[in-house]
Amino acid sequence: DAKTTQPPSMDCAEGRAANLPCNHSTISGNEYVYWYRQIHSQGPQYIIHGLKNNETNEMASLIITEDRKSSTLILPHATLRDTAVYYCIVKGSQGNLIFGKGTKLSVKP
Amino acid sequence: DVKVTQSSRYLVKRTGEKVFLECVQDMDHENMFWYRQDPGLGLRLIYFSYDVKMKEKGDIPEGYSVSREKKERFSLILESASTNQTSMYLCASNPGGGGMYTEAFFGQGTRLTVV
Repeated sequence: DAKTTQPPSMDCAEGRAANLPCNHSTISGNEYVYWYRQIHSQGPQYIIHGLKNNETNEMASLIITEDRKSSTLILPHATLRDTAVYYCIVKGSQGNLIFGKGTKLSVKP
Repeated sequence: DVKVTQSSRYLVKRTGEKVFLECVQDMDHENMFWYRQDPGLGLRLIYFSYDVKMKEKGDIPEGYSVSREKKERFSLILESASTNQTSMYLCASNPGGGGMYTEAFFGQGTRLTVV
């Protein structure tokens, strides 16, 4: 079973920030949180990961709460090409990534 | 650019056929994975491999087998294809090792239809 919970869908206006929440209340102290996205008909694409501190890269920012029970992925200026399913993931006991159902983000003009 | 390449984007096979899905990675990664993706069910792990000739069952291994004779290649085999194996199949790899952080790279997927 997935260890994360995400809303099934969200809308965002083009040019605005998209804030995608994720709950991972059972995460253990040394487990990273990963975010991937999947654009229609393509394989999942890595976005960002984090452990305790907030992280930023050229694609997004990741804000992790102090208790590590939830996180938020931020796309600062969403474009139409950011329309995709976004997955918040932690690893399974066998080292594999366990995907939940993700959040379908629709960026609208 | 790092690459995970799946041999086919689309395949149509008949019920009962033996089907091979091939995946090759050029990053010298230790770990390789096969997932299937179905509407409403997300990605589910079929098999994975930590090393050459090593394999481990994932969540839904029934009806599948795998082969890893070389580090860069991981094959998924449908011994006798059935219509309920119609799906999108995704291959992935990551470096493995003892570190807790390992980014996975995915192929573009193979959409298999069994008729």
